[in-house]
Amino acid sequence: DGGITQSPKYLFRKEGQNVTLSCEQNLNHDAMYWYRQDPGQGLRLIYYSQIVNDFQKGDIAEGYSVSREKKESFPLTVTSAQKNPTAFYLCATQYGGESQPQHFGDGTRLSIL
Amino acid sequence: GQNIDQPTEMTATEGAIVQINCTYQTSGFNGLFWYQQHAGEAPTFLSYNVLDGLEEKGRFSSFLSRSKGYSYLLLKELQMKDSASYLCAVKDSNYQLIWGAGTKLIIKP
Repeated sequence: DGGITQSPKYLFRKEGQNVTLSCEQNLNHDAMYWYRQDPGQGLRLIYYSQIVNDFQKGDIAEGYSVSREKKESFPLTVTSAQKNPTAFYLCATQYGGESQPQHFGDGTRLSIL
Repeated sequence: GQNIDQPTEMTATEGAIVQINCTYQTSGFNGLFWYQQHAGEAPTFLSYNVLDGLEEKGRFSSFLSRSKGYSYLLLKELQMKDSASYLCAVKDSNYQLIWGAGTKLIIKP
């Protein structure tokens, strides 16, 4: 079954703890993105990667880190430096040219304990 | 700065027609996307406009005027399942998507 899989669906973080959100895709898409969604705000770009072993910061990268060791995988780590991590995190992929839409996983909801 | 404006919330009646507006001010323009997002779920792609005019896709249509920085999404024959948030997003000069906050559409019987 093709698609984008994000896990876990819900995640709780303790103070001072780093947590990692998983994003796996079997669509063979080159580009992958991480967004944060907060109530009343548009999606905000955290990091993106257009090719394996390369990634760029988005608008709100501080307190987050990523890796792209495989085409299929783009995990996001929320570090303890991110002081307000409670949000809905969405992973997206895109194939081909600029007119192509981004496709989204089902999201991970992160909360602070 | 870059800005996308949409109404926060709209209410419509089942079977009716509703138009959701989106105005944008961005550094460059490389296309406009509309997505549907049900509560707690992933956004799903609805339409793409890069040239002026109307794009029709079943019950949904999307219009673009680049000179006015304006788009709308038109939903016809509304169904209860159309209750969702509708997100407008513009690709800027760097080909990055700038997202509006979304319009929550409530459908009443």
